Amino acid sequence: NAGVTQTPKFRILKIGQSMTLQCTQDMNHNYMYWYRQDPGMGLKLIYYSVGAGITDKGEVPNGYNVSRSTTEDFPLRLELAAPSQTSVYFCASSQGATSGNTIYFGEGSWLTVV
Amino acid sequence: GNSVTQMEGPVTLSEEAFLTINCTYTATGYPSLFWYVQYPGEGLQLLLKATKADDKGSNKGFEATYRKETTSFHLEKGSVQVSDSAVYFCALLGQGGKLIFGQGTELSVKP
Repeated sequence: NAGVTQTPKFRILKIGQSMTLQCTQDMNHNYMYWYRQDPGMGLKLIYYSVGAGITDKGEVPNGYNVSRSTTEDFPLRLELAAPSQTSVYFCASSQGATSGNTIYFGEGSWLTVV
Repeated sequence: GNSVTQMEGPVTLSEEAFLTINCTYTATGYPSLFWYVQYPGEGLQLLLKATKADDKGSNKGFEATYRKETTSFHLEKGSVQVSDSAVYFCALLGQGGKLIFGQGTELSVKP
């Protein structure tokens, strides 16, 4: 069972560089999410998508972009990396928005911007 | 708006001790509530959930009861093990299927 797969697991970026965090799920889920996790701060929602072709901003979208061209994939793009984007990033997916739908998380991507 | 507050960590316990991690929430209505666990170097896993008031979620010896009177969802376990060492997140399900998390509580269990 692959579930939610994120790549890369670890990455070091220089300030101003760009990169894409990849996320794919094989559960045919409609909803997908990107969160970032900072020490002592819990997880904050960056962007989410309720289906292919539809994306929307979460709580902390600045400095990021997303796209959802297929149901399976939800990449997160950092255009001009800044030290404030050093964090652990989690992709997640669920079938729907109700409580009966479990949200599944990937294993995380550790990003350091230096 | 919706928010979740957890007791601060780290919490350090000896094996077989009783665990309580407090969680309170602020929300419109009665959202579903969750506890997620994150083991070192891993992603988040759903531990348990409760979808309405007075529901009790349970899994792996952990329990939490949805208390609307006190807007709380405290996590408890009667006898912790070293393998329970992890970070625990309380969360509520907001509009649009978005989870709103507390800040996490790190638990360390010593043999």
